[in-house]
Amino acid sequence: AQKVTQAQTEISVVEKEDVTLDCVYETRDTTYYLFWYKQPPSGELVFLIRRNSFDEQNEISGRYSWNFQKSTSSFNFTITASQVVDSAVYFCALSPETSGSRLTFGEGTQLTVNP
Amino acid sequence: AAGVIQSPRHLIKEKRETATLKCYPIPRHDTVYWYQQGPGQDPQFLISFYEKMQSDKGSIPDRFSAQQFSDYHSELNMSSLELGDSALYFCASSLRGGAHKDTQYFGPGTRLTVL
Repeated sequence: AQKVTQAQTEISVVEKEDVTLDCVYETRDTTYYLFWYKQPPSGELVFLIRRNSFDEQNEISGRYSWNFQKSTSSFNFTITASQVVDSAVYFCALSPETSGSRLTFGEGTQLTVNP
Repeated sequence: AAGVIQSPRHLIKEKRETATLKCYPIPRHDTVYWYQQGPGQDPQFLISFYEKMQSDKGSIPDRFSAQQFSDYHSELNMSSLELGDSALYFCASSLRGGAHKDTQYFGPGTRLTVL
């Protein structure tokens, strides 16, 4: 069984603050993928990043960075210098490294960035 | 770049009616997935197909059926609709090879309302 936990239901910050969204996962698979998706108020699900379980190298993309630590089963997401447009629900997700397999989502974190 | 296309975008049905949702994957993508997202919830996996064969099956009600056609598009058929079926239905697609192997890209969703 797979499980993803996003303990932070809602986070509210002021523009330009840094914010970290936590994600902890459980899986019995030896190889797997981890993902982050963004769901803005318009409702679509936007892919942000995918990591393979064997690749613990952290990644930075502009204001976004991701910290993957297999030892603690965590895959945290940091937004630096947050902007109002970052306001959305962010989902962490997990799937086995088997083509066609389901994504198991966390419950999501509602991020509100206030001007 | 072309994205996943879903139709219709909005659908209103009465209880006990039937509904058909359509999904056109990103060109060259060979795998399609269906998810259901209730209000304030995370997306729940329903079913997936690769090369017209079922790849994975989640908590899809017996009243629902789905298939993938030779042009890779997919349809989700829903019968005897219930009030609880009101939700946002997402289709996603992925490719089994390449740099973005198995990354699921989501369509804009179909919002189904059952009255």
